[in-house]
Amino acid sequence: GESVGLHLPTLSVQEGDNSIINCAYSNSASDYFIWYKQESGKGPQFIIDIRSNMDKRQGQRVTVLLNKTVKHLSLQIAATQPGDSAVYFCAENGMTGYSTLTFGKGTMLLVSP
Amino acid sequence: GAGVSQSPSNKVTEKGKDVELRCDPISGHTALYWYRQSLGQGLEFLIYFQGNSAPDKSGLPSDRFSAERTGGSVSTLTIQRTQQEDSAVYLCASSLARHQGSNYGYTFGSGTRLTVV
Repeated sequence: GESVGLHLPTLSVQEGDNSIINCAYSNSASDYFIWYKQESGKGPQFIIDIRSNMDKRQGQRVTVLLNKTVKHLSLQIAATQPGDSAVYFCAENGMTGYSTLTFGKGTMLLVSP
Repeated sequence: GAGVSQSPSNKVTEKGKDVELRCDPISGHTALYWYRQSLGQGLEFLIYFQGNSAPDKSGLPSDRFSAERTGGSVSTLTIQRTQQEDSAVYLCASSLARHQGSNYGYTFGSGTRLTVV
């Protein structure tokens, strides 16, 4: 079946490096995607979103790229900091007729000082 | 309140007992969602409330699970006759809008960690 998935379950980087977290989706009907960050013991926190009529969107130190041709979504974090250590989830809206979000399994980002 | 509030934050219960989990959404948010997060897993959709419409219960894993939302605000997720496989973090989220193409802007609570022993 169609699903949202991630290529790398764990990503370890050094402080100051740029991080790239990837997500593959297979539901071509999805037209809205979100990245969430979840720190230990907390609920997921909205980071950035993108609609399917865009291929890039930038926030503060974060950039989301959308490649609809290969159904790929990525989150880029510039100058990664120890406080960025968390689990990152991508989510899409097309799995349930746009009424709810479907989340991937998540990628753990570990940032070493 | 300023955020989504869930209670209790932790709950340990014996197998076979019933539990109730509470969610206070952000004031004015018409949409409310329950998700379940098992260890090392993504978020599994359970149920969705939108205004006064009938809830979308398509994600509830069995008839032991039910939820209600009173007055369009507070929601309670009830699990009857709990089983060990029900152990997970139960997350509640609320949002202003849910329509295609709109910014869903889910705001999540910190969750209730349920442990069934």
